[in-house]
Amino acid sequence: DAKTTQPNSMESNEEEPVHLPCNHSTISGTDYIHWYRQLPSQGPEYVIHGLTSNVNNRMASLAIAEDRKSSTLILHRATLRDAAVYYCIPLSGNTPLVFGKGTRLSVIA
Amino acid sequence: GAGVSQTPSNKVTEKGKYVELRCDPISGHTALYWYRQSLGQGPEFLIYFQGTGAADDSGLPNDRFFAVRPEGSVSTLKIQRTERGDSAVYLCASSPKRSSYNEQFFGPGTRLTVL
Repeated sequence: DAKTTQPNSMESNEEEPVHLPCNHSTISGTDYIHWYRQLPSQGPEYVIHGLTSNVNNRMASLAIAEDRKSSTLILHRATLRDAAVYYCIPLSGNTPLVFGKGTRLSVIA
Repeated sequence: GAGVSQTPSNKVTEKGKYVELRCDPISGHTALYWYRQSLGQGPEFLIYFQGTGAADDSGLPNDRFFAVRPEGSVSTLKIQRTERGDSAVYLCASSPKRSSYNEQFFGPGTRLTVL
């Protein structure tokens, strides 16, 4: 399994953009980079995933470094409902999700 | 539509007792996963089903843990002779199929407390 490194915690002001980094220097060529988040007292929820190109969806954007050894999840305007633990997970075909400790994002009103 | 549901939401039991935790996946999802999450940690994989069969049970910690999915839909996680260390939130997720491309949809979890 590719090892990931994420900051333990980050803080953002409401309505401002948030950049959540993840290092995955041992990622394999077939691993997709998935991001999940877990709101308090809930199960994790899928946010976004990508392979090589930057990706956008209604929740967030994912910027992937050219060498694929790191990626950044971008929340364009943080809201209080975005306060959660964010997990970066490299994943390929027949492996389960391997969660690290993630980054705990706090959003200040 | 209906998401993944898990029952009970909370279960308190005594050390040594047997417990069953139920997961109802999203209709039509062929892949089903069980994870458990201890306080302050990320979820930890336990077992994965593709249809009725367990495709990967490498995460089950020991032979006290067993899971079934007899009709390829509902799954039950069974824990025998519970220990205090089994206390955790048990999460179930389902996915249309198992690949790198499909997101997993998680239920709210069952909080198990072993006294």
